[in-house]
Amino acid sequence: AQTVTQSQPEMSVQEAETVTLSCTYDTSENNYYLFWYKQPPSRQMILVIRQEAYKQQNATENRFSVNFQKAAKSFSLKISDSQLGDTAMYFCAFMKQSGGSNYKLTFGKGTLLTVNP
Amino acid sequence: NAGVTQTPKFRVLKTGQSMTLLCAQDMNHEYMYWYRQDPGMGLRLIHYSVGEGTTAKGEVPDGYNVSRLKKQNFLLGLESAAPSQTSVYFCASSSLASNEQFFGPGTRLTVL
Repeated sequence: AQTVTQSQPEMSVQEAETVTLSCTYDTSENNYYLFWYKQPPSRQMILVIRQEAYKQQNATENRFSVNFQKAAKSFSLKISDSQLGDTAMYFCAFMKQSGGSNYKLTFGKGTLLTVNP
Repeated sequence: NAGVTQTPKFRVLKTGQSMTLLCAQDMNHEYMYWYRQDPGMGLRLIHYSVGEGTTAKGEVPDGYNVSRLKKQNFLLGLESAAPSQTSVYFCASSSLASNEQFFGPGTRLTVL
């Protein structure tokens, strides 16, 4: 079974600064996907960024980027130029790639990020 | 295009009562999922479906049943609610072509 660990229950950052959220995972699989989801106070789950394990290049989406270290089983999220709207719970998630069918996310416990003005 | 919708948004039950949560998606997705979210626990998979008429157990299936009689709907049932089932329930869906799951707005259920 896969496990996902987010070691920072809470973090805070000043507006316009950069913050990095940590995530480690444990798996014996070689092919898989990793995700960061954002859950603002509205409770809606929003996909922030995803990474395919077979890709060496780190994924980037505007102000959001990841540092994917496959050997270390580490998948951190960097948020640049933090904005007040980035205040949310952030979840790291793992998905095994199984025989061409992709499903079943395993989530970490989340990191509550607060962006201060 | 409403995406994924969930009914109801809030519900309070007494121990032993039954209820059904409805999830509907209008994206023609093959896969659908039910998760529960508890404080400090992240989201955990209850049951999922890979197509109409098929369901399978997830990580925490006990006390729940599901049905997928139509491709666009996925129902989650609690036959005899217990306080331990107090949680926020999320439905999600995804297509064969993509691994992105689209989530509904959630249902907050309280069992007294």
